[in-house]
Amino acid sequence: NAGVTQTPKFQVLKTGQSMTLQCAQDMNHEYMSWYRQDPGMGLRLIHYSVGAGITDQGEVPNGYNVSRSTTEDFPLRLLSAAPSQTSVYFCASSFRTGNYGYTFGSGTRLTVV
Amino acid sequence: DAKTTQPPSMDCAEGRAANLPCNHSTISGNEYVYWYRQIHSQGPQYIIHGLKNNETNEMASLIITEDRKSSTLILPHATLRDTAVYYCIVRPNFGNEKLTFGTGTRLTIIP
Repeated sequence: NAGVTQTPKFQVLKTGQSMTLQCAQDMNHEYMSWYRQDPGMGLRLIHYSVGAGITDQGEVPNGYNVSRSTTEDFPLRLLSAAPSQTSVYFCASSFRTGNYGYTFGSGTRLTVV
Repeated sequence: DAKTTQPPSMDCAEGRAANLPCNHSTISGNEYVYWYRQIHSQGPQYIIHGLKNNETNEMASLIITEDRKSSTLILPHATLRDTAVYYCIVRPNFGNEKLTFGTGTRLTIIP
């Protein structure tokens, strides 16, 4: 099992550019989510999904779009990057039961200049 | 969703037990207590979880008070590699998955 795979690991964008952060899991998890982590801060929930075709907003959804067309993939799209979106982004997945932990990816470090 | 409160930082001597507290006074009956840790900028790592009973695994022990309003994560013999930020969260069993992580406790193991 590969677990949760995030690509790319590092990315530099110019203000106004768009890009998609990829997240894939091979564990057949229903639940997937995206978090961002700013320096010295905790993780803040951006968007999450409890199954294919179902997504919902987290704490800080503005400036980000998601879709969940398959169980395995949960891409995060930045439509028009801003310097405030400079952060480390983590994807997580789990079975949709409270008695199962999250598996996190290794993160994507994004810098917007 | 229940929120959690943790001290921002703690120190522990190497080889001693590290006891990390968490307050979750608004926890609901169907919510599990989870602990994760994050070393440097790596992805958070699952440590342990529990519902009502105390739990132990190869990494740690979790003590949940009888009223479930607080818990303690115990690292029995802390090593320098246990230096990390530790997060306590609560997660419902089939419910709102809008889960958030607070700022956690920064644990520093002192040689």
